[in-house]
Order: sequence, then structure tokens, then C-alpha cells
Amino acid sequence: NAGVMQNPRHLVRRRGQEARLRCSPMKGHSHVYWYRQLPEEGLKFMVYLQKENIIDESGMPKERFSAEFPKEGPSILRIQQVVRGDSAAYFCASSRNPGTANVLTFGAGSRLTVL
Amino acid sequence: AQKITQTQPGMFVQEKEAVTLDCTYDTSDPSYGLFWYKQPSSGEMIFLIYQGSYDQQNATEGRYSLNFQKARKSANLVISASQLGDSAMYFCAMTPNTGNQFYFGTGTSLTVIP
Repeated sequence: NAGVMQNPRHLVRRRGQEARLRCSPMKGHSHVYWYRQLPEEGLKFMVYLQKENIIDESGMPKERFSAEFPKEGPSILRIQQVVRGDSAAYFCASSRNPGTANVLTFGAGSRLTVL
Repeated sequence: AQKITQTQPGMFVQEKEAVTLDCTYDTSDPSYGLFWYKQPSSGEMIFLIYQGSYDQQNATEGRYSLNFQKARKSANLVISASQLGDSAMYFCAMTPNTGNQFYFGTGTSLTVIP
């Protein structure tokens, strides 16, 4: 009964490179959320996806960031042409259903360092 | 606008004592959920406790209880009989009726002293 699996746990990129972060939700969960945590801060919502659909991307930067959750395979958060300010921990969470009683189960996070 | 405020950047508590971590929230939604998560130094986010806005009783989960005061818009976490393993960052979070987003506070760093 694996939880939310994120990989890689740590990723180092140089400015201008691309970063791809993967997230496999818990078994039976069809709702995936991505959050970003900057040092010394709380988590900030980025995007909410269901299978093959982006439901809410109001927290995503308009440029360089994209997310998908294909019919098969993990959810991917993609950051193109990374800059130093993208250095952060990126958390994926999943849930069985949306709603106010919706407990999010988080992965261990992917820590991106941009040199 | 939705907002979560945690005013205690750092807290210390003696082992076996109780501690209260403060959280206030602001929302215009009549229906919402309140959550507390623990983030140890290893970095993962661990769900602790949930309170629904229409729940009449305060939530409890083992040594964790949530002191929910709706009129004051506060949802403080009480940890009883603190243990060394409780040392971590604690985040309060809220999700309004739409349930799409969780709004997190900036966290409180708890240190349990032996």
C-alpha cells in the first residue's frame, strides 16, 4: 500500500536547463496537487489535476511551468529554463475525492537546486 | 480571500508537557476544512488532524486535539504529553468549500526539550 511516490528526491540543475518532477499518487487516488515550498515558508498551491485534466492552475507561474497527469503514468511537473528562484521543495499530494473533508496525502517532496 | 496565520515562528516545550500551537484563519466560505500537518527534519508532510467547519465537537487524534473556536476563527493544535519525536515544523492549513486548494500558514517550529 505505497503512499505518494515522488522522484527524484533531489535534483540539481544549471540555469537554463529543464527540470522534470514525477509523482505517482496513492492507489485509488485520482486527484493530484502540486505545491511549492520555498525555504522558511509554508506550502503554496500550484496546480490541481485529475486524470488527463487540469482543474485549477491558478497557482502556476504563467511561463516556464507546466503540469500534466496522463491517463497512464505519473503526474509530471515540468519547469523549463530554470532560474535560481525556482530552487525549492516541490510536493505532490493526492486524494480520493475533492471537498472540504479532503485529506491530502503528501509525497516526500522533490528538492530542486538551481546552480 | 483565504488566509492562514501562524504567529509563533518557534516554540519550546518540556518533554511530557502539553503545548498549544496557534492558528487563525480568514475565509468568507461558510463551509471549510481545517488541517494540521507535521513536517519533521526529513521533509515529508504528515497529516495529523482534521476539523470541519460544521463539526460540533473538537477533533481529537491520540495526543493531538484541535481547539476550534469558530467565532474567533481559530484552530489551535494542542499536543499533550510532548515527546522528543514531536520536534518538527507544524503547519496549519485550510481548504474552502471548493476544495481545490489548501492554504497553508508559515509554520511553527516546535522543539521538545528533554
